[in-house]
Amino acid sequence: AQKVTQAQTEISVVEKEDVTLDCVYETRDTTYYLFWYKQPPSGELVFLIRRNSFDEQNEISGRYSWNFQKSTSSFNFTITASQVVDSAVYFCALSEAQRNRDDKIIFGKGTRLHILP
Amino acid sequence: DGGITQSPKYLFRKEGQNVTLSCEQNLNHDAMYWYRQDPGQGLRLIYYSQIVNDFQKGDIAEGYSVSREKKESFPLTVTSAQKNPTAFYLCASSGGYSNQPQHFGDGTRLSIL
Repeated sequence: AQKVTQAQTEISVVEKEDVTLDCVYETRDTTYYLFWYKQPPSGELVFLIRRNSFDEQNEISGRYSWNFQKSTSSFNFTITASQVVDSAVYFCALSEAQRNRDDKIIFGKGTRLHILP
Repeated sequence: DGGITQSPKYLFRKEGQNVTLSCEQNLNHDAMYWYRQDPGQGLRLIYYSQIVNDFQKGDIAEGYSVSREKKESFPLTVTSAQKNPTAFYLCASSGGYSNQPQHFGDGTRLSIL
């Protein structure tokens, strides 16, 4: 069965520190997709990144970077030089390629990140 | 701009009353979803629809109902059978394929009077 675990419920760091949000997933499929979303205090979820299971290259986008390791079933998210605007809840999610009417995206429970000024 | 519009932003329900949350998208997406989020919790799937005139129950469908008469619209009714409806409700849409991310509306916060 699909499962996404975000073990860190809440993290607080001081501005300009680096912070890594962990995501561990379980799936029986060989082809799947992983996502990260950001939920700021306003409430809407904002899509950040999608990673395919067959592409293990790490990705960097500005201060954000993602480390995908199939060997450990992890898809961790690092924010470098954090800023107060990064304060939000971050969700990791998994979708399997064998999608039928009963399949759907599975979200982790989220990590609440506080960036302290 | 293309996107998903949820209304109202805040909604209050009296005991025994049904209320309907609106969700409209102009992204030409086939699939639409309703999630419930409780404080400090993740997202729980209520209902989803892959095509017009068809929808499936999610993990917590009891006390809720939906319709999908138009591609653009996926309203959610919170019925009186839902005994604990106070939550934040999020609507999403996607192209319907597993590699496509879901796009979310701004949410509706429902409270009991």
